[in-house]
Amino acid sequence: DAGVIQSPRHEVTEMGQEVTLRCKPISGHDYLFWYRQTMMRGLELLIYFNNNVPIDDSGMPEDRFSAKMPNASFSTLKIQPSEPRDSAVYFCASRGAWTSGDNEQFFGPGTRLTVL
Amino acid sequence: SQQGEEDPQALSIQEGENATMNCSYKTSINNLQWYRQNSGRGLVHLILIRSNEREKHSGRLRVTLDTSKKSSSLLITASRAADTASYFCATDGTSGSRLTFGEGTQLTVNP
Repeated sequence: DAGVIQSPRHEVTEMGQEVTLRCKPISGHDYLFWYRQTMMRGLELLIYFNNNVPIDDSGMPEDRFSAKMPNASFSTLKIQPSEPRDSAVYFCASRGAWTSGDNEQFFGPGTRLTVL
Repeated sequence: SQQGEEDPQALSIQEGENATMNCSYKTSINNLQWYRQNSGRGLVHLILIRSNEREKHSGRLRVTLDTSKKSSSLLITASRAADTASYFCATDGTSGSRLTFGEGTQLTVNP
């Protein structure tokens, strides 16, 4: 199993540009989570999906952020237009269905976004 | 404030010593988990302890949970330089769907 795959690993863009981050969860996992990590705010949950349906997007900071999950093996997080304060490491994580109370998450390597 | 707050924020020890990190949380939980994050990497799950458990071991890791005090501790015995990382506790609340992570403890193990 390749684990959670994220692309790109690094992204440098200029303010105002559109940024699209991609995630492929572990095959068979029902849940997918998008997080943002910064020194100031730590690890924040942005949105999560269950069976490709967005369940909780209360962590999405602004309308500039949007996330989709068109199928069980792919999700995108888009920022349009990007701003310097969006600079952070964005993580995708996935997990299987709720069984026996084990809900550990498996994280991807992250995308380091720098907005100039 | 956040559900799941670690203490101390940073810890520096010598190889071979034990490292203890603490976590406090605010609401009821189904379980509490500990994750490790090496610099520049994603988080890796270490151990999960259920709300009806008081102690759990996995290799050199020992986790305790006190639901009456809403606190947990992670003990790493006989630490190694490779244990240098940030350690996060995460709680799931009662819904179990999402995790809330603390701010982490930065552990440095000096060779």
